[in-house]
Amino acid sequence: RKEVEQDPGPFNVPEGATVAFNCTYSNSASQSFFWYRQDCRKEPKLLMSVYSSGNEDGRFTAQLNRASQYISLLIRDSKLSDSATYLCVVNKGSGTYKYIFGTGTRLKVLA
Amino acid sequence: DGGITQSPKYLFRKEGQNVTLSCEQNLNHDAMYWYRQDPGQGLRLIYYSQIVNDFQKGDIAEGYSVSREKKESFPLTVTSAQKNPTAFYLCASRPRQGYGEEKLFFGSGTQLSVL
Repeated sequence: RKEVEQDPGPFNVPEGATVAFNCTYSNSASQSFFWYRQDCRKEPKLLMSVYSSGNEDGRFTAQLNRASQYISLLIRDSKLSDSATYLCVVNKGSGTYKYIFGTGTRLKVLA
Repeated sequence: DGGITQSPKYLFRKEGQNVTLSCEQNLNHDAMYWYRQDPGQGLRLIYYSQIVNDFQKGDIAEGYSVSREKKESFPLTVTSAQKNPTAFYLCASRPRQGYGEEKLFFGSGTQLSVL
């Protein structure tokens, strides 16, 4: 089983749709969780950190479920500019500097 | 402006040649990382360094070498022992634990191709 798993997609959705991605992780000691956005052949850019209480930033909402060991990202009112690959990133555990990346979920928002 | 600078953006390697990818940061971050990304795959850790003069192998270190003589710089050498070097290479950094959020900051990447 991979340490961090994501559905690779692609998710093709119309503009204005709501779309949700999940990411599961295997190490129960993992402490930090992030969603990054990556455009083709560019560097990943931090979209959101994911906190235990859940957090929201505009149209984006991230949640953490420690019991089931997954994090989620919800995008409301999708824009064409949201088309990208969304990477789930997990810090391996307390006191470690190692991060594990999911393979990413591709989103394509259609006009 | 603070950030991470990778160079060159594109690099070509001949068979049997060693090449070095540059990564410089002026964020005063202690930890630096090198990742490799292949098409359709996630980022895989090559090497990381938590502090000057110290570095650790990641999951795919074979055929690569690094140095960390200065806090700002973490160059990666792709040696001739790396038989499949064609990939997108990303450098990242983060603050020391307890000195800011534990998120990674990335450079813009180097695309390495074999001639």
